[in-house]
Amino acid sequence: SQQGEEDPQALSIQEGENATMNCSYKTSINNLQWYRQNSGRGLVHLILIRSNEREKHSGRLRVTLDTSKKSSSLLITASRAADTASYFCATDARAAGNKLTFGGGTRVLVKP
Amino acid sequence: DAGVIQSPRHEVTEMGQEVTLRCKPISGHDYLFWYRQTMMRGLELLIYFNNNVPIDDSGMPEDRFSAKMPNASFSTLKIQPSEPRDSAVYFCASSLIGNWAFFGQGTRLTVV
Repeated sequence: SQQGEEDPQALSIQEGENATMNCSYKTSINNLQWYRQNSGRGLVHLILIRSNEREKHSGRLRVTLDTSKKSSSLLITASRAADTASYFCATDARAAGNKLTFGGGTRVLVKP
Repeated sequence: DAGVIQSPRHEVTEMGQEVTLRCKPISGHDYLFWYRQTMMRGLELLIYFNNNVPIDDSGMPEDRFSAKMPNASFSTLKIQPSEPRDSAVYFCASSLIGNWAFFGQGTRLTVV
């Protein structure tokens, strides 16, 4: 089974609205990473948050990490049509030999 | 650096044929991952290497799949014989330990 599981599986919002997606995982991690994938392309990293960090920002992106609940969230503020993509979380777990495993992703549609 | 380079970008082959996918990681990266992406199963980790040594191949679906990394700048994923259910997009990614992964553009494999 996958280490990270995203919720919701799909999200449709209007341009300008915020988009929030969540990721839950099962085992202790070194860090948790969020990626974006445009249709037909490879994944591109967005933010990496380490296990001793609780929040991180990058532009319109905000990531939180709650290791006690084994969960993370990605918030995209003031969404744009260009944010339409699939978003994935991935966990890097030292106990698993630094294996990088991905969740099923959240498909985000931002309507203009 | 040109990033992670995969070849070919597209491959169409007949069932039973041997398929070889190639990957050149980013210079200096010590981890290399092979993933397979399908609509049904999402992004699956097939195998990963650390310093050219295979660490975990538990995601390799069958003995028909094999992967090698003869040196730090090259890896192959081979399927022999190929079957229609192997049709997917195969991604290679590389990283430095504890950091995010850089993905190639993928190889779209179609087995007819």
